[in-house]
Amino acid sequence: DVKVTQSSRYLVKRTGEKVFLECVQDMDHENMFWYRQDPGLGLRLIYFSYDVKMKEKGDIPEGYSVSREKKERFSLILESASTNQTSMYLCASSKPANANYGYTFGSGTRLTVV
Amino acid sequence: GENVEQHPSTLSVQEGDSAVIKCTYSDSASNYFPWYKQELGKRPQLIIDIRSNVGEKKDQRIAVTLNKTAKHFSLHITETQPEDSAVYFCAAMEGGYQKVTFGIGTKLQVIP
Repeated sequence: DVKVTQSSRYLVKRTGEKVFLECVQDMDHENMFWYRQDPGLGLRLIYFSYDVKMKEKGDIPEGYSVSREKKERFSLILESASTNQTSMYLCASSKPANANYGYTFGSGTRLTVV
Repeated sequence: GENVEQHPSTLSVQEGDSAVIKCTYSDSASNYFPWYKQELGKRPQLIIDIRSNVGEKKDQRIAVTLNKTAKHFSLHITETQPEDSAVYFCAAMEGGYQKVTFGIGTKLQVIP
């Protein structure tokens, strides 16, 4: 029973393209997050959202933007893809801030920019 | 912001031995410390967590300890099995919007 779904498992894009990564959760979670995972660097937070139409920068937001028009969907946008954005991208969701619950992750999207 | 350091980066143990992974955090306001296991090619999954008002928590072969004064927390796996082989991430959560900072991960290999 998949609860956080990322639209693509593998994606290959060209330098300069605008790239959309989609994430949908069916758990009615308020919080959603985008991380990138790179060897030796762990998981680094790009952006997060705690409510519809709300967004906050994470630790590495440069070159990315996000959109959250509906509670269940959180999109990551690479405005102009570059080779240093080749990575595994993980979406996650969680319950409200006062609950201190762990994340539920999606399966990830492995993006290669050529 | 929060900074989480994790070590070792790799760990090999014989099946049946114990494994310990240690983490430190920098922000005294962090109050929730989850641990995730990521098997090869799969998503990270929460395996255990501890809140700042608790010093230790155990779930079968897995235990986590927290020392708030020293800002240390550790994962202990006893009687390791080959299926414990994975990358383990520690994390610290500041209050507010549940923003989590992860350690770099520990690749655990359990040798049969």
